[in-house]
Amino acid sequence: DGGITQSPKYLFRKEGQNVTLSCEQNLNHDAMYWYRQDPGQGLRLIYYSQIVNDFQKGDIAEGYSVSREKKESFPLTVTSAQKNPTAFYLCASSRQGTETQYFGPGTRLLVL
Amino acid sequence: EDQVTQSPEALRLQEGESSSLNCSYTVSGLRGLFWYRQDPGKGPEFLFTLYSAGEEKEKERLKATLTKKESFLHITAPKPEDSATYLCAALLYDKIIFGKGTRLHILP
Repeated sequence: DGGITQSPKYLFRKEGQNVTLSCEQNLNHDAMYWYRQDPGQGLRLIYYSQIVNDFQKGDIAEGYSVSREKKESFPLTVTSAQKNPTAFYLCASSRQGTETQYFGPGTRLLVL
Repeated sequence: EDQVTQSPEALRLQEGESSSLNCSYTVSGLRGLFWYRQDPGKGPEFLFTLYSAGEEKEKERLKATLTKKESFLHITAPKPEDSATYLCAALLYDKIIFGKGTRLHILP
């Protein structure tokens, strides 16, 4: 079955620690996205990538970093510079030329 | 400023009681309007894309419509399993803007 997987489902971060969230898709989609979801707020775009080895900042990129070395994979690193990382993180992908985005199951990041 | 507003924030209905959710938008250059369903602790599930005013799409008990200022998600004779948060999103030329969602609860 084609789809988007995210791991882990839950992630705990200690103060000063960098953590990486995984996102993999086997839909052969060119574009991939990372969103952050907080209670009572709409989804906010962190980073997106239209093609391999290229990515752009979204609305709230500060404190985050990404890489896109393979078409299937778009990991997100939450760095120690992100002072309020507790949130639900969603990865999405879309086919080139169409913008319907399909989402993964999400990763909930909690701070210890 | 581009904006997408969903109303109501929350809605409780009896099973079988039909209603509509609203998504109003003030944006420049709308290319499309998405509707998603999100269950607690899960990622949004794609429902519909609408591209032009007057367009309608249906899926089971759900029907989405689009005008030049807003979109409606009509739910007919809902069942408890329709309980979820429904998100709309406006696709612009350079970005997508999500609304905050409507939490729908269907009572048996």
